[in-house]
Amino acid sequence: DGGITQSPKYLFRKEGQNVTLSCEQNLNHDAMYWYRQDPGQGLRLIYYSQIVNDFQKGDIAEGYSVSREKKESFPLTVTSAQKNPTAFYLCASSPDSSYNSPLHFGNGTRLTVT
Amino acid sequence: DAKTTQPNSMESNEEEPVHLPCNHSTISGTDYIHWYRQLPSQGPEYVIHGLTSNVNNRMASLAIAEDRKSSTLILHRATLRDAAVYYCILRVYNNDMRFGAGTRLTVKP
Repeated sequence: DGGITQSPKYLFRKEGQNVTLSCEQNLNHDAMYWYRQDPGQGLRLIYYSQIVNDFQKGDIAEGYSVSREKKESFPLTVTSAQKNPTAFYLCASSPDSSYNSPLHFGNGTRLTVT
Repeated sequence: DAKTTQPNSMESNEEEPVHLPCNHSTISGTDYIHWYRQLPSQGPEYVIHGLTSNVNNRMASLAIAEDRKSSTLILHRATLRDAAVYYCILRVYNNDMRFGAGTRLTVKP
């Protein structure tokens, strides 16, 4: 079945370490997104990519980095510069960036940094 | 950026219809209205979207006001599985999708 895979589901790291969250899709979608969700809050956009080798910052990009070397992959690195990295991270994709294009989400990675 | 306003929470009884409102007074002519819902500890799930006309699918119906400044997501018979946070979002071409806090729907048996 086609879909978006985020791994791992739970991730634990020590403060000061960089960590990379995986997001893979086999839907042949052009656009991919990373969101952060804190408890009881809505989703906030970190980065998005409309096409391979291109990406734009969202509302809260500081302390994060991404790459889009392949269409199916959009990994997110949480760097040590991110002051409060503990959160639920969601990856999404859509066929393109047009108005009529719904998002498909993965089931998220819950990152805990201590 | 176009924004949406939703009530923080709503309650419904099981097997009754639910009308979830959304205001988007600054909507532009080409913005699509999208709805998603999120169950606890899961990623959001696409529900429905539309531009001007009312839309129906197997999950829900979307009623869009004539001036497009508001819309209503309609669940025809709420079940306990429909308890979730519902997000109303405006989709703009070549733009990201920005989610607000949504409406938390509680379904009472």
